[in-house]
Amino acid sequence: NAGVMQNPRHLVRRRGQEARLRCSPMKGHSHVYWYRQLPEEGLKFMVYLQKENIIDESGMPKERFSAEFPKEGPSILRIQQVVRGDSAAYFCASSPGWDGTEAFFGQGTRLTVV
Amino acid sequence: SQQGEEDPQALSIQEGENATMNCSYKTSINNLQWYRQNSGRGLVHLILIRSNEREKHSGRLRVTLDTSKKSSSLLITASRAADTASYFCATERSNYKLTFGKGTLLTVNP
Repeated sequence: NAGVMQNPRHLVRRRGQEARLRCSPMKGHSHVYWYRQLPEEGLKFMVYLQKENIIDESGMPKERFSAEFPKEGPSILRIQQVVRGDSAAYFCASSPGWDGTEAFFGQGTRLTVV
Repeated sequence: SQQGEEDPQALSIQEGENATMNCSYKTSINNLQWYRQNSGRGLVHLILIRSNEREKHSGRLRVTLDTSKKSSSLLITASRAADTASYFCATERSNYKLTFGKGTLLTVNP
C-alpha cells in the first residue's frame, strides 16, 4: 500500500508563472488536506477536501490559490501568478475519515519562486 | 502564543541519553499527535494520544498528556544519531484540522 504520493518533489517557477502541485492519497482514503510550511516554521493548514467537494478552505489565501479533488485523479493545489513569498514546502495528507484518526503525510513539494 | 507550541526550540544530547520535548496548547482538544521531520523531508507520524488518555508508549517513545495543564511531553529513551530530526506536536480540536507548533530541533551526537 503506497503512501501519500506528491509530485513533483521540487518545483521551480519564475514570478508570475503558475504552479501545480499534485497529491494522490493513500488507497482507501477519501479525505485530503493541504498544509504549507514556511522556512523554520511549523505546518499551517490550508484546505480540506473530499472527493469533488471543498469542505474547509479557511487557510487558503483569498487570491491566486485554489484546490480541487476530482472524482478521478489526484488532488491539485494550484497557485497562479506565483510570488517569492509563495516559496515553501507544501504537504498533502490523507485520512480515511476525520474522526480523530491519524493523517498520513506525503513527502511534500518544495516550491521555489525565482 | 500559538496552539501547539514546543519547548525547547533546540536540544542537543549525546547518543544513549534520553530526550524530552514538551508541547503546550491553549484550547481543549480531541487528540494530540507527535510527528518527526528529517531535514528537508516529509513528516512521519509517531504517536496519537486522545484527550481521555494520559500516557502512551511506542517502542522507545513515551508520550504523556495532561489536559488540566494543557501540555504534553515526548520522551525518547536511549537516543540514537538517527533520531536527529525536528519534532512537532499537532493538536486536533473538534474536527480534522491539525494545528502544528514550530517544532523542537533534536540533535543526537554520536
